Amino acid sequence: GDSVTQMEGPVTLSEEAFLTINCTYTATGYPSLFWYVQYPGEGLQLLLKATKADDKGSNKGFEATYRKETTSFHLEKGSVQVSDSAVYFCAPEGPSGGGNKLTFGTGTQLKVEL
Amino acid sequence: KAGVTQTPRYLIKTRGQQVTLSCSPISGHRSVSWYQQTPGQGLQFLFEYFSETQRNKGNFPGRFSGRQFSNSRSEMNVSTLELGDSALYLCASRREFTEGTEAFFGQGTRLTVV
Repeated sequence: GDSVTQMEGPVTLSEEAFLTINCTYTATGYPSLFWYVQYPGEGLQLLLKATKADDKGSNKGFEATYRKETTSFHLEKGSVQVSDSAVYFCAPEGPSGGGNKLTFGTGTQLKVEL
Repeated sequence: KAGVTQTPRYLIKTRGQQVTLSCSPISGHRSVSWYQQTPGQGLQFLFEYFSETQRNKGNFPGRFSGRQFSNSRSEMNVSTLELGDSALYLCASRREFTEGTEAFFGQGTRLTVV
């Protein structure tokens, strides 16, 4: 089945620093790729997605590019804010059984300090 | 538009008891998935329902079951509760179950088994 490897957290950055959270995956074929974010006490929210190779997903200053050659979908942001503190999950979605399934990474906790 | 609603938000049960969790998807969404989130195992897929049919099932014992009603609302049931079932249970709804469709998550039900 699909699997995801995310960089270990927590990642602690100062406000306005550059962020990269690495994500690599193994999957059958070419899955759709998602980044979800979970704020404290909340469920998950979609941050961005890409559905085919070389697509770039972007939202709220975050970006990630679907790299088929390296099976990666690294998340980047040029200047983080305190409000970006959350847990970030990388998730490929591929066929499973009679439907499709999101496979989540372990999550990377980001802490942004003033 | 109302989001995904999960009830109850918090639950405390005793080992050996059973529990039923409820999920009301976003209006118009016909796919409902369930995930278990624990610090040790992360987010693990339980099952997905679409049009009252289970389309997909994760690797959980038969004590975990679910169903979906004609109005797309879904319930999941855990029988003979074990301490290890303590977790945040998240429900996600999608308009369709085709790959690449965004999943919208509820805030979850926090189950504690004592």
